[in-house]
Amino acid sequence: QKEVEQDPGPLSVPEGAIVSLNCTYSNSAFQYFMWYRQYSRKGPELLMYTYSSGNKEDGRFTAQVDKSSKYISLFIRDSQPSDSATYLCAMSASRGTSYGKLTFGQGTILTVHP
Amino acid sequence: DAGVIQSPRHEVTEMGQEVTLRCKPISGHNSLFWYRQTMMRGLELLIYFNNNVPIDDSGMPEDRFSAKMPNASFSTLKIQPSEPRDSAVYFCASSLVLATISYNEQFFGPGTRLTVL
Repeated sequence: QKEVEQDPGPLSVPEGAIVSLNCTYSNSAFQYFMWYRQYSRKGPELLMYTYSSGNKEDGRFTAQVDKSSKYISLFIRDSQPSDSATYLCAMSASRGTSYGKLTFGQGTILTVHP
Repeated sequence: DAGVIQSPRHEVTEMGQEVTLRCKPISGHNSLFWYRQTMMRGLELLIYFNNNVPIDDSGMPEDRFSAKMPNASFSTLKIQPSEPRDSAVYFCASSLVLATISYNEQFFGPGTRLTVL
């Protein structure tokens, strides 16, 4: 079993829809939770990060972390065709042998059609 | 800043040939990561360096893969001999990892698309 599980999709939604992307994890040491966005034939870029549990909002994007359930989510409101990309969750432990290292989910392919 | 630079961007080679991928991290970053991305397996960490020293190479698939970081501004990933199953996109990423903070953003290069025939 992988440390981080993410449904690869693909997910196709109409413009303006609310998109929900999710990851589950098994390593209790994870403290930092990130979402990276990867456009076709590009490298991933950091979209948002959250420390421990709670919510964080940035424009149309909201990241949620529920450590008790080992479950994280990314919500995209009023989705736009420019949001079409692969979204990867990533996690990091604050101490120990994982210091500095990120563990990624497989990525969810999202298409927003006009 | 030019960001993380990788070369070549595309590589097509025949099975059995040696392949060398190159990476120049962002100036001032002290950690460098090599990843491999495929549709089947997603983004996998192969090896990472901190202050030019390999910290974790548990993701290197086998002895055919080797990585070096002779100085803070250059790293190579070598595959010898290459096999068709090595076909993938290889990413290099760099980061500034400090003892005072745990969170670190990794900045990715554009990747090298490797095809082994």
